[in-house]
Amino acid sequence: DAKTTQPPSMDCAEGRAANLPCNHSTISGNEYVYWYRQIHSQGPQYIIHGLKNNETNEMASLIITEDRKSSTLILPHATLRDTAVYYCIVQEGGATNKLIFGTGTLLAVQP
Amino acid sequence: DAGITQSPRHKVTETGTPVTLRCHQTENHRYMYWYRQDPGHGLRLIHYSYGVKDTDKGEVSDGYSVSRSKTEDFLLTLESATSSQTSVYFCAISGTGYTEAFFGQGTRLTVV
Repeated sequence: DAKTTQPPSMDCAEGRAANLPCNHSTISGNEYVYWYRQIHSQGPQYIIHGLKNNETNEMASLIITEDRKSSTLILPHATLRDTAVYYCIVQEGGATNKLIFGTGTLLAVQP
Repeated sequence: DAGITQSPRHKVTETGTPVTLRCHQTENHRYMYWYRQDPGHGLRLIHYSYGVKDTDKGEVSDGYSVSRSKTEDFLLTLESATSSQTSVYFCAISGTGYTEAFFGQGTRLTVV
């Protein structure tokens, strides 16, 4: 089963920051938090991942709480093209490296 | 873009017939995955592979089998297709360690 909980949907105004929350209260010490998004019916696209420190790349920022039980994905200036389903995943490492998806958050960016 | 190709992209088949979907990669990645996605659901893991001839079941493996005889190819077989297996199937690949996964474009399978 997925180890994460996300709100089913969120709205955001174009040009504003989108903050997508994720709860992963049962995360283990060596498990990373990953974010992917899926635009329409395309294959999911990687956004960012982190262990315990905050991370930033050209697409987004990832804020992980100190106890690692939750995180927030931040899209600093949302555009219409950011409308997608966003998945927060706790990746099981080790030999199998399984990726288990939850149901994600549908982010609708409004003009 | 990562070198991952799914074939076919679309297929219509009849109930009871066997179907094989192919995932081909040119990245030499160790891990390969098959997912299905249905309306109202996220991606559900069917089977995955962590090396040549090393595979294991995912969340929804009943009615599916897989094979990986070489690094670059991961085959998903529906032994006897049923209407409940009508879905969009995605393949993914990832390297060792905590790296990103790359997804294929998907295969839309319709079982009539």
